[in-house]
Amino acid sequence: EVQLVESGGDLVQLGGSLRLSCAASGLTFSIHWMSWLRQAPGKGLEWVANIKGDGSEKFYVDSVKGRFTASRDNAKRSLYLQMDSLRVEDTAVYYCARLNFPDYRYFDLWGQGTLVTVSS
Amino acid sequence: DIVMTQSPLYLPVTLGQPASISCRSSQSLLHSDGNTYLSWFQQRPGHSPRPLIYKVSNRDSGVPDRFSGSGSGTDFTLTISRVEAEDVGVYYCMQGTLWWTFGQGTKVEIK
Repeated sequence: EVQLVESGGDLVQLGGSLRLSCAASGLTFSIHWMSWLRQAPGKGLEWVANIKGDGSEKFYVDSVKGRFTASRDNAKRSLYLQMDSLRVEDTAVYYCARLNFPDYRYFDLWGQGTLVTVSS
Repeated sequence: DIVMTQSPLYLPVTLGQPASISCRSSQSLLHSDGNTYLSWFQQRPGHSPRPLIYKVSNRDSGVPDRFSGSGSGTDFTLTISRVEAEDVGVYYCMQGTLWWTFGQGTKVEIK
């Protein structure tokens, strides 16, 4: 079965750090662009970051640039999001997703999400 | 940034009847490569988003044919030909032409 499973979400203090993980199975992980997206409680979806299959290219939404870092370990079929200097507005469910790129430029496989809560 | 605007934000529907959701972008989604990268997602209560449509009108794997997408330029529509109970949820449009941005979502409920 093709699936993505996120972990690492937690309650963290304002200004703190957290590292999310996403374990992939059933797909040739290393060839795919992967992404992080988030959804604040009761709100819509927001793209956060993309990382190329070999990790050589990364892109971020402006609001997280300089604070969040996406990385991957293809040998472990895992994707990561290091989140530093966390703000209250970073509170959200974070989803790992496969990005169909460059052909269709959309997220064609999603994980179940992991909740990050930033407390002041 | 490209802003995506959906309407309506709330859509009560009757089982077996058609339903349509509109999505407008703040600028054309026609990419320099000739493609238009507009997709649709369904999010059922308590679940993660599910891809429905990509590149305006292409159904994702396993998506029932009662779902269809249309449009061009800045105006797009998701249509459900005959609403079923399992279609309840929030629907999002998303553009992938210039980075990736989503509409606010349209909540579909049964009358």
